[in-house]
Amino acid sequence: AQRVTQPEKLLSVFKGAPVELKCNYSYSGSPELFWYVQYSRQRLQLLLRHISRESIKGFTADLNKGETSFHLKKPFAQEEDSAMYYCALGAGTALIFGKGTTLSVSS
Amino acid sequence: NAGVMQNPRHLVRRRGQEARLRCSPMKGHSHVYWYRQLPEEGLKFMVYLQKENIIDESGMPKERFSAEFPKEGPSILRIQQVVRGDSAAYFCASSPQPGQGRANYGYTFGSGTRLTVV
Repeated sequence: AQRVTQPEKLLSVFKGAPVELKCNYSYSGSPELFWYVQYSRQRLQLLLRHISRESIKGFTADLNKGETSFHLKKPFAQEEDSAMYYCALGAGTALIFGKGTTLSVSS
Repeated sequence: NAGVMQNPRHLVRRRGQEARLRCSPMKGHSHVYWYRQLPEEGLKFMVYLQKENIIDESGMPKERFSAEFPKEGPSILRIQQVVRGDSAAYFCASSPQPGQGRANYGYTFGSGTRLTVV
């Protein structure tokens, strides 16, 4: 079955601490993985995709096919990173989303 | 470029009424996707449309739900005889024509319509 799992509903860290938002997937084909972010009162927006191997706002994510994971990382969290983060898997014509993780960064 | 426009932002309907949700894609985008987010859940795919064509409706409930994307005007998601379980946020996304043999998942989302059934 095609599935995306984000095991943490909420992740609270202090400013300057490292952040890792976990994402595991289940997919029989060659996966395309994405991270979307939703800041307070704003629309969902694409943060990064694994095929571009880019770093956006200091975030990176590496696809690990052996562990079927696509964890989102940032070495030093900022307060403006506080948002809802969704991991998503491209499957056919649609995206399959995880339930999301709320990241809360406090000073 | 105004982005993907959805209206209304909030919609309240009584049980049994009809709900119509509208989505205008970004300029130059010809593909529209509808997703539903139930409370405490992730977004769930409902339907994928191009102008005048439903490409994939595998995520649509079998009854009461329909979608269209006419040649002119916005895409419409229509829910007939709404029930309390239809209360959710409905998101629309659009994308340009994908490349040959590839889907384009990096689409642009609208702000959503929050439907409340009372």
